[in-house]
Amino acid sequence: NAGVTQTPKFRVLKTGQSMTLLCAQDMNHEYMYWYRQDPGMGLRLIHYSVGEGTTAKGEVPDGYNVSRLKKQNFLLGLESAAPSQTSVYFCASSTLGAGGKYEQFFGPGTRLTVL
Amino acid sequence: AQKVTQAQTEISVVEKEDVTLDCVYETRDTTYYLFWYKQPPSGELVFLIRRNSFDEQNEISGRYSWNFQKSTSSFNFTITASQVVDSAVYFCALRRGGGGADGLTFGKGTHLIIQP
Repeated sequence: NAGVTQTPKFRVLKTGQSMTLLCAQDMNHEYMYWYRQDPGMGLRLIHYSVGEGTTAKGEVPDGYNVSRLKKQNFLLGLESAAPSQTSVYFCASSTLGAGGKYEQFFGPGTRLTVL
Repeated sequence: AQKVTQAQTEISVVEKEDVTLDCVYETRDTTYYLFWYKQPPSGELVFLIRRNSFDEQNEISGRYSWNFQKSTSSFNFTITASQVVDSAVYFCALRRGGGGADGLTFGKGTHLIIQP
């Protein structure tokens, strides 16, 4: 199993450009998440999904859109990139958490720079 | 609202010293989960431990140990006989219990530097 993978690993954008980050998981997890990590801020939740075709806002959703057309994929889009979106983006997936067990698995991250 | 506080921004110790990383959390939930993750210089997040709120037993894994105290809302992490490879940023995180899809609430992290 590859676990959680992210594409691309690095990207440089100019202000106003758009792009999509792809997250894929092969563990058949229902839940998927996008976080951003900024220096000194820890990780903050952008959007998440409870299943195919459903998405919800997290703590810092502004400027981002997401889609979950297939259970194994979770896309994060930036329609008009801004320098404030320069960050490291982590995708994660998790089990349902029933029975007192909960595991969240993280991808390797995507480093995005917006000039 | 949930909150995780890691008051130590950076800690520097000499190799073989013991070091404790503090984590204090806030939640109104009676059932929740606490986590520690390690982020080495390579950038990936490495899962270290998950602790359920109803299990206050401390845990030891090799040189790592965790002290969970509900009375003080703390979940501290101790590395015994530290090694240079322990140098990393360590995050404490909190998630509400149940089977919902809530994400993790992270602390801001503690940068641990182990000097040879």
